[in-house]
Amino acid sequence: QQQVKQSPQSLIVQKGGISIINCAYENTAFDYFPWYQQFPGKGPALLIAIRPDVSEKKEGRFTISFNKSAKQFSLHIMDSQPGDSATYFCAALARIQGAQKLVFGQGTRLTINP
Amino acid sequence: KAGVTQTPRYLIKTRGQQVTLSCSPISGHRSVSWYQQTPGQGLQFLFEYFSETQRNKGNFPGRFSGRQFSNSRSEMNVSTLELGDSALYLCASSFGDRRVGELFFGEGSRLTVL
Repeated sequence: QQQVKQSPQSLIVQKGGISIINCAYENTAFDYFPWYQQFPGKGPALLIAIRPDVSEKKEGRFTISFNKSAKQFSLHIMDSQPGDSATYFCAALARIQGAQKLVFGQGTRLTINP
Repeated sequence: KAGVTQTPRYLIKTRGQQVTLSCSPISGHRSVSWYQQTPGQGLQFLFEYFSETQRNKGNFPGRFSGRQFSNSRSEMNVSTLELGDSALYLCASSFGDRRVGELFFGEGSRLTVL
């Protein structure tokens, strides 16, 4: 119930294309769903996040789609650029009496071919 | 605004030794969380500290411990190191009591156990 399943493990997209990464969860108590971007040798950087009371959030070329009934959410990167090549992690926030803990998906290694 | 600072960035230890890692959170953040990142297990939650108190703990053995100081800086300690402790240890800071879930990660401390 504390797992977040992420797919695909790796993804290759042509420059200008749309990159789509999917995540699914079981625990309905999760109430915050961020996406992180990680470059080699760096820590994960918060990219975009959504709360379950909305179905979509867009920031620039990045969009999260959220389907509460299906317990799934996805990241769409429009007009993908070589600089977007990185590992992407979805996550879900579990809160217990004020404490917060992120449960991460296994990550997707995205490569954008020029 | 300075980001999350972790020291040391790299270290090599031998089995049986102990190690202390340090984290300075973003100014104004009172919550510090620690995560272990490995290729096989991904990002795993270790513990969270808020105002010098441990609020949450992950499923790691007692060899892993931490503390937080009054200035919100945090340290984690791993005693009796094992080969499997080789990993990237990430610290994340957040307000802890508002904008819940917005965690900002440092670049990590890469520990190699020989």
